[in-house]
Amino acid sequence: DTEVTQTPKHLVMGMTNKKSLKCEQHMGHRAMYWYKQKAKKPPELMFVYSYEKLSINESVPSRFSPECPNSSLLNLHLHALQPEDSALYLCASSQADTYNEQFFGPGTRLTVL
Amino acid sequence: GENVEQHPSTLSVQEGDSAVIKCTYSDSASNYFPWYKQELGKRPQLIIDIRSNVGEKKDQRIAVTLNKTAKHFSLHITETQPEDSAVYFCAASKGSYQKVTFGTGTKLQVIP
Repeated sequence: DTEVTQTPKHLVMGMTNKKSLKCEQHMGHRAMYWYKQKAKKPPELMFVYSYEKLSINESVPSRFSPECPNSSLLNLHLHALQPEDSALYLCASSQADTYNEQFFGPGTRLTVL
Repeated sequence: GENVEQHPSTLSVQEGDSAVIKCTYSDSASNYFPWYKQELGKRPQLIIDIRSNVGEKKDQRIAVTLNKTAKHFSLHITETQPEDSAVYFCAASKGSYQKVTFGTGTKLQVIP
């Protein structure tokens, strides 16, 4: 399996809802990433997990809470989001070597009402 | 932190012509430079990458050059085809598990 999968594909939520985004890979990658991408903009790094431990948090608001339950899974828990959080959320993974070829999932299109 | 500038922001070429996209980076410690292609509504996909110990790399119609002294790298696409139309992002990284900083993107349109 050479793909990163993400669920759901689309998500609409209210500002008081709690929801989770899921990401899975079976390539044996030990680094996993969450990105946020707004329309016509580059992906913007949110979090990096290395060997299931959070290694980088790019000063993301606490209403986004990442979780890496095992080496294949990455979750992003969402709570009390704002309309400006509406975006495409991309998950990526990479191997444990010197360089950083990242494989992206198809993304979750999130709309916050 | 790293800053990656990318030019041009839009590029239109006739089918069969070449396209060149240029990027500069600020952090001399960056050692890995991938290029991603993103079609509308799709995920970014790696099309080519180059490591800091290499000056040039080619894969069929696509080539990338790196000038470490000038902190400059470029993507060259020859014999462009309509299916090359997409947004292209350059990026820079200091290695595995590190932040990948993306350029602002170039929207390439290949006119049949």
